[in-house]
Amino acid sequence: DIQMTQSPASLSASLGETVTIECLASEDIYSNLAWYQQKPGKSPQLLIYYANSLNDGVPSRFSGSGSGTQYSLKINSLQSEDVSIYFCQQNYDSPPTFGAGTKLELK
Amino acid sequence: QVQLKESGPGLVQPSQTLSLTCTVSGFSLTSNSVSWVRQPPGKGLEWMGAIWSGGSTDYNSALKSRLSISRDTSKSQVFLKMNSLQTEDTAIYFCTSRGGYWGQGVMVTVSS
Repeated sequence: DIQMTQSPASLSASLGETVTIECLASEDIYSNLAWYQQKPGKSPQLLIYYANSLNDGVPSRFSGSGSGTQYSLKINSLQSEDVSIYFCQQNYDSPPTFGAGTKLELK
Repeated sequence: QVQLKESGPGLVQPSQTLSLTCTVSGFSLTSNSVSWVRQPPGKGLEWMGAIWSGGSTDYNSALKSRLSISRDTSKSQVFLKMNSLQTEDTAIYFCTSRGGYWGQGVMVTVSS
């Protein structure tokens, strides 16, 4: 199975800051990488697919980048509603695997 | 619009079988796949398996011996059955479809 190493595990930032979350795949996943946001008690919501494509309705302050084995999610101008847990997922090979998650909090 | 909704028992006894149903709307099961993903309380996400649009299935090797996924296309329903449940199977169980659509999830507790 492809292992997804996500960092950091937790992150504290101030309103208006830019934050970056990273995912490292154990092998090349050819940009088959999605980012999800999950709020407490809710199901994950798709933010980014195919590494850098913004899902419909997702604010433009979210962006994804990367290739090969290294990927990142950037949130510009952090808003209070961005406090969540973020997961990456590779869907290049079966089974699809997830990163362990990054808990984003406000400083 | 695309919607998925899980249903099933909230409590299952150890060693028993879990049966869950995912009812979908807004798309046909013959044109889109449905996967099951679970999340133990306070932990990460684990893909369990999927049923593809053509009806074939794929399972996480860690669960394959205990897991079965099937569907009834006429009712737009996908079924998950997992046997020999243990306390570590306590989790929220989600069904998802391609395009990033997820159900609300159903909490399943394995306890006597």
